[in-house]
Amino acid sequence: GAVVSQHPSWVICKSGTSVKIECRSLDFQATTMFWYRQFPKQSLMLMATSNEGSKATYEQGVEKDKFLINHASLTLSTLTVTSAHPEDSSFYICSARTYSDILPLHFGNGTRLTVT
Amino acid sequence: AQTVTQSQPEMSVQEAETVTLSCTYDTSESNYYLFWYKQPPSRQMILVIRQEAYKQQNATENRFSVNFQKAAKSFSLKISDSQLGDTAMYFCAFAQIQGGSEKLVFGKGTKLTVNP
Repeated sequence: GAVVSQHPSWVICKSGTSVKIECRSLDFQATTMFWYRQFPKQSLMLMATSNEGSKATYEQGVEKDKFLINHASLTLSTLTVTSAHPEDSSFYICSARTYSDILPLHFGNGTRLTVT
Repeated sequence: AQTVTQSQPEMSVQEAETVTLSCTYDTSESNYYLFWYKQPPSRQMILVIRQEAYKQQNATENRFSVNFQKAAKSFSLKISDSQLGDTAMYFCAFAQIQGGSEKLVFGKGTKLTVNP
C-alpha cells in the first residue's frame, strides 16, 4: 500500500516551453504533498508544500510563478515548470502524506527533466 | 535552521560484512524525528528506518539498526550482513514536529557500494 505514482518519469522540452509533472497517490488520500528538486549527486531540496484545496507554500528562493503547484484533489498534485530554461533541468520528486502520517513517508519515483 | 551533516560522501563494504554510516544534526528542539532513506539507482526514495527523539531505545529493522545519541546529536546507521542490493545513496533526514507542517531536511548523502 501507500503507492505514489509520478508521471512522466522522463521528459525533454525546449527552452521557453512549459512542462507539467503529475504526482498521484494511488491507494490513499494525500492531504499534503511535497515537491523536491535533486541536482546530480546532491541531496533533495524541498521546493514547496501543498495542502489539498489550498495554495502551496514555497520555500525561500523558489519562484512560485515559475514552479506552479496545484493540489486540487486528495489524490493528485501537479508541478508545472513554466517557461523552462536549461538551468531548470533536474530531477523532481514528489512525496505525499495522509492526515494520520507524521511525515511524508511515501515518495514518487521522480521525474527527470531535461530542457534543451 | 536545522542542518544535517553526512561526513562520508562515499563508502564501500564487502558483501556479508557490516558497515556504519554517520550522520550528525543540529537543532535546538527536543521533539523531532530522524530518518534514513535509501535511494538506489532507480532514484526511488525508500524509507529504511526512523527514530523518534523521545525514544531512548535505538530503532531496528531487520539488518538495519541505528545508534541514536541525542546529547551528541548523532544518528548513525549500521547495516549488517551487507547485500549487493544495499548498494545505493543513503540520506539521513531530520524533521521537527510542528503540528502538521513538518518538513524533511536531508543530508547530502553517502554513496554506499557493496562489493561481491
